[in-house]
Amino acid sequence: EDKVVQSPLSLVVHEGDTVTLNCSYEVTNFRSLLWYKQEKKAPTFLFMLTSSGIEKKSGRLSSILDKKELSSILNITATQTGDSAIYLCAQGGSEKLVFGKGTKLTVNP
Amino acid sequence: DGGITQSPKYLFRKEGQNVTLSCEQNLNHDAMYWYRQDPGQGLRLIYYSQIVNDFQKGDIAEGYSVSREKKESFPLTVTSAQKNPTAFYLCASLQQGRPFDEQYFGPGTRLTVT
Repeated sequence: EDKVVQSPLSLVVHEGDTVTLNCSYEVTNFRSLLWYKQEKKAPTFLFMLTSSGIEKKSGRLSSILDKKELSSILNITATQTGDSAIYLCAQGGSEKLVFGKGTKLTVNP
Repeated sequence: DGGITQSPKYLFRKEGQNVTLSCEQNLNHDAMYWYRQDPGQGLRLIYYSQIVNDFQKGDIAEGYSVSREKKESFPLTVTSAQKNPTAFYLCASLQQGRPFDEQYFGPGTRLTVT
């Protein structure tokens, strides 16, 4: 059974749309929740969340953690074609990361 | 510049052959990790090592072996026992005790076995 579950698994939108990507995790050995962007190479770090309810922002991207619901969302506003990628969520424990399967986002012009 | 190198970028092998993937870091990090990624999948942990001469199995260790004889090197051998070895392999490192947002990834090796 997957410990970190992302939804949707894939998403196709038009430029300018706003998207919300979801990630649920397990409470066991939870230290942090991380988001990455991957474009046919190694993942690029986006956010790390440890506290519930505190939004982290970087330009058009933002993310928040809900420890009560054991979940996190990643929002991308005013999407651009350059946002097309796989977005990975990972639960950080004391020794290792556990990744979800990722959401493949395609932004069409 | 400090970082992680993986070589080669692309690797092709015949079925039944063992193959060793290289991972070297000059960040002086204690912990190193090997991940495997298949299409439509996230990263899955194969092995990790938190200190020289010690390593632990990850979630999918069967068919793989590792060694950690030096702090800067963590080679991964894909043995002939690995049923589906074709995948993208990523190595990563982290200073012990530091949060995972400080984890560095290597550029990856794409292994194709036919």
